[in-house]
Order: sequence, then C-alpha cells, then structure tokens
Amino acid sequence: DTGVSQDPRHKITKRGQNVTFRCDPISEHNRLYWYRQTLGQGPEFLTYFQNEAQLEKSRLLSDRFSAERPKGSFSTLEIQRTEQGDSAMYLCASSPPKGTYNEQFFGPGTRLTVL
Amino acid sequence: QQQVKQSPQSLIVQKGGIPIINCAYENTAFDYFPWYQQFPGKGPALLIAIRPDVSEKKEGRFTISFNKSAKQFSLHIMDSQPGDSATYFCAARKGPGTYKYIFGTGTRLKVLA
Repeated sequence: DTGVSQDPRHKITKRGQNVTFRCDPISEHNRLYWYRQTLGQGPEFLTYFQNEAQLEKSRLLSDRFSAERPKGSFSTLEIQRTEQGDSAMYLCASSPPKGTYNEQFFGPGTRLTVL
Repeated sequence: QQQVKQSPQSLIVQKGGIPIINCAYENTAFDYFPWYQQFPGKGPALLIAIRPDVSEKKEGRFTISFNKSAKQFSLHIMDSQPGDSATYFCAARKGPGTYKYIFGTGTRLKVLA
C-alpha cells in the first residue's frame, strides 16, 4: 500500500493555459475524490467518483473544470483557460469499497500557481 | 447549516501541554466526524474519527470528545510534542449514503520545545 499519489506536485502556468493533474488512488479503492484547498482554508469538495462514474460535482466546479476516471483506476483533473483565482492546492483522496463511513485518505496534492 | 466552525485559528502550547481544538456544526444529519493533521506541503492525514453515538474516543495521545446535544466536538492532544506542530482540520460527513466531507477552516498548532 503506497498511498495516494499525485502528479505533478507543483505546476506554474500562465493565465489562459490549460493544465491537467493526475491522481493514482490506493490500490483497490473504488472511490475517488477531488478537493481544492486555498491558503489558510480547509479542503473544499470538488467532485466524487465511484469506479468510473462521476456521481457528484460541486458548484465550485465551473465549466472550465473537468474530471475523468476512465477505467476506474487513476483520475485526471483538467482546468481549461486557467485564471489567477484557480491558484490553490488540488487534493485527491480515495476510500475503500467497504467501510460504513467512507474514510478518505489524501494524497500530497498538486500546488497550482497561475501567473 | 452546511458549515463546520473551528476554533481557535492558531494555538501555541509548551511541550507536554494539552492543546484543545473545538468544532461546532448545525446540521444534525452529519454522521461522521474525522480529524486530519496536515504538515506544510503535505496532504491531510487521517488522525482519528468519531461517530455521534459515542461521547469519547482515544487513540494514543489523541482524544475526541463529542457532545451531541450541543453539536460540538473537540480534539485533545495529550503530552504534546514539537512534532505535533501542524495544522489540524475537523470535518463532518453530510450523512448516511453521502460521500462529501465538510471541513473546518483549520487550527495551526505550534508546540514549543
């Protein structure tokens, strides 16, 4: 069990560019979540997958954001036409299929800076 | 109603002290309350969690106290160490069959050697 991994760990981009982040959940975890965390705040929920199905999206996820989990394993989060307000830490978490309370295990995050 | 309010924002204690971090919620449908520890540049790590039918849970030096009637819960760190210096987040799950966690705003703890 190597934990949730995220790539890249840091991304600096210019406003208007597209960026894509990858998340590899813990093996056998069928549930995957994306959160966004800004400085001094707690993580805010963005979206949730069970296997390959995207079951919930936050209103925070504007049309410029899209997430996929094509084979029910890794997931990608893409941000199109980035804005300075998108600068944040993007966190991925996963949880196992069993367990009543969906304990979520977080990855190290991808820190995005939009110039 | 969907918020979890956390206090204090920051906390400094001496080594061996018992820092206490408090959280309050409004929505009685919340049914699971985890605490996370986050070091700079790292993702949050699950520390300890409690269900609302339990009033207290201990794991090592970490204790959660839960007051269902007051809709409050708190984290106590016994015999705190400099290595406990981190940001702590409380969270709540929105209810049975849901998967979204609502997080508090975090408490930055510093334990002085």
